[in-house]
Amino acid sequence: QKEVEQNSGPLSVPEGAIASLNCTYSDRGSQSFFWYRQYSGKSPELIMFIYSNGDKEDGRFTAQLNKASQYVSLLIRDSQPSDSATYLCAVKGERTGGFKTIFGAGTRLFVKA
Amino acid sequence: DGGITQSPKYLFRKEGQNVTLSCEQNLNHDAMYWYRQDPGQGLRLIYYSQIVNDFQKGDIAEGYSVSREKKESFPLTVTSAQKNPTAFYLCASSAGGFSEQYFGPGTRLTVT
Repeated sequence: QKEVEQNSGPLSVPEGAIASLNCTYSDRGSQSFFWYRQYSGKSPELIMFIYSNGDKEDGRFTAQLNKASQYVSLLIRDSQPSDSATYLCAVKGERTGGFKTIFGAGTRLFVKA
Repeated sequence: DGGITQSPKYLFRKEGQNVTLSCEQNLNHDAMYWYRQDPGQGLRLIYYSQIVNDFQKGDIAEGYSVSREKKESFPLTVTSAQKNPTAFYLCASSAGGFSEQYFGPGTRLTVT
C-alpha cells in the first residue's frame, strides 16, 4: 500500500463545474495535509493546507479532512480551464518526525471550456 | 521578495561530469529538501536537511551529494555515479516540523 494514494486521472470536468480530488493516506499519526498544483513543466505550488478535521475554504478551493477515515479531498468550485494541472496531495506525519513530506503521485485535472 | 531561487533553469552536461545545482532561500527556513521528478512521474526525495551542518539521505540518494554550510543554501551535486541523471530537480524549504513546504522553480538537467 502506498503511503499517499491518489487516482491518477485524468479527471475531466466542464468549465463552471465542481472538481473533486481525493486522497487517502496510511499513517494514522499524520498531522498536516497539503494540496499542491503543478502545471506542466513547472514546479509545485502550494494552494491549501489543513491540520484539523473538517473543511477549510479559500476562495474557490475547499480542503476537507477526515482523520478517522484517513481521507483528504480538494474541491474546486467554478472550475476554469486555467485550473487544468496535476494536483498533488501531501502529508506530514509522526512516522517521519514531521520533517519529511510524503507526496502522492498526483491527479491530472482537465477543465473543458 | 521572499522565496527560493534555483539556478540555472536549464543545465546541459556530458556524461561522466559532476554538476552542482544551486538552491538559495531567504525565507529563514530551517529545513531544505531536494527532489527529483521524471516525466509523468511523482516527486522522489533525494536529500533533506533539518538544520545547518546536518542532512539525511532520502529515498534515492545514490549518486548525489549535498552540503548545508549556511542556513540559506543547500547545493546538490549530481555525480558521475548517478546512472540516469537527466531529470527535473526541485529544491524546497520549510520552517520545519509539520509546517508547509515551498518549492523553487526547478532546474532541468540534461546529460548526454
